[in-house]
Amino acid sequence: DTEVTQTPKHLVMGMTNKKSLKCEQHMGHRAMYWYKQKAKKPPELMFVYSYEKLSINESVPSRFSPECPNSSLLNLHLHALQPEDSALYLCASSPGTAIDYGYTFGSGTRLTVV
Amino acid sequence: AQKVTQAQTEISVVEKEDVTLDCVYETRDTTYYLFWYKQPPSGELVFLIRRNSFDEQNEISGRYSWNFQKSTSSFNFTITASQVVDSAVYFCALSEGRSNDYKLSFGAGTTVTVRA
Repeated sequence: DTEVTQTPKHLVMGMTNKKSLKCEQHMGHRAMYWYKQKAKKPPELMFVYSYEKLSINESVPSRFSPECPNSSLLNLHLHALQPEDSALYLCASSPGTAIDYGYTFGSGTRLTVV
Repeated sequence: AQKVTQAQTEISVVEKEDVTLDCVYETRDTTYYLFWYKQPPSGELVFLIRRNSFDEQNEISGRYSWNFQKSTSSFNFTITASQVVDSAVYFCALSEGRSNDYKLSFGAGTTVTVRA
């Protein structure tokens, strides 16, 4: 299995809703990432988990809450989002966090906040 | 400061034409990695190539080829005999060797449209 699987593929949520994005990989990768991508822009790093511990938080607002229950799963809990949070949320994984590792990306969750 | 510059925002070609995507990077590190990713309309970022700073050999993979020149800090990508399926956004990215800084710095991306 050489994939990163993200669910759901599409999500529409209201500003008062609570929802979660899920990311799963079974490649034995020990680093997992959340990226946010606005339309016609490059991906921007949000969070990095290394060996199931949060190692990087790129000053992301607290309405985004990541969770790594085990080495294969990465969740992003969403609460009280704003319309400007609408974007493609990409999950990625890599064998480790050294710079020479390649990243495998999922196909993303397209989030619309109404 | 922008670490990766992709000066071409959009490129449109007719099928079978060659297309070259420019990528210029900036780093003070001697150890770094450069990447190219393809993002089709489906959204997934597809890994195309990784090149380390010590390997300046050009590479060819099928219709794809890459030209890495440290002297000009460039890592250009050429698609030969383009096909409609090559239509996508292409990102060049840099990963630098400073401690705890293993983030991918992406360029702005180049949208390639191949017309039949």
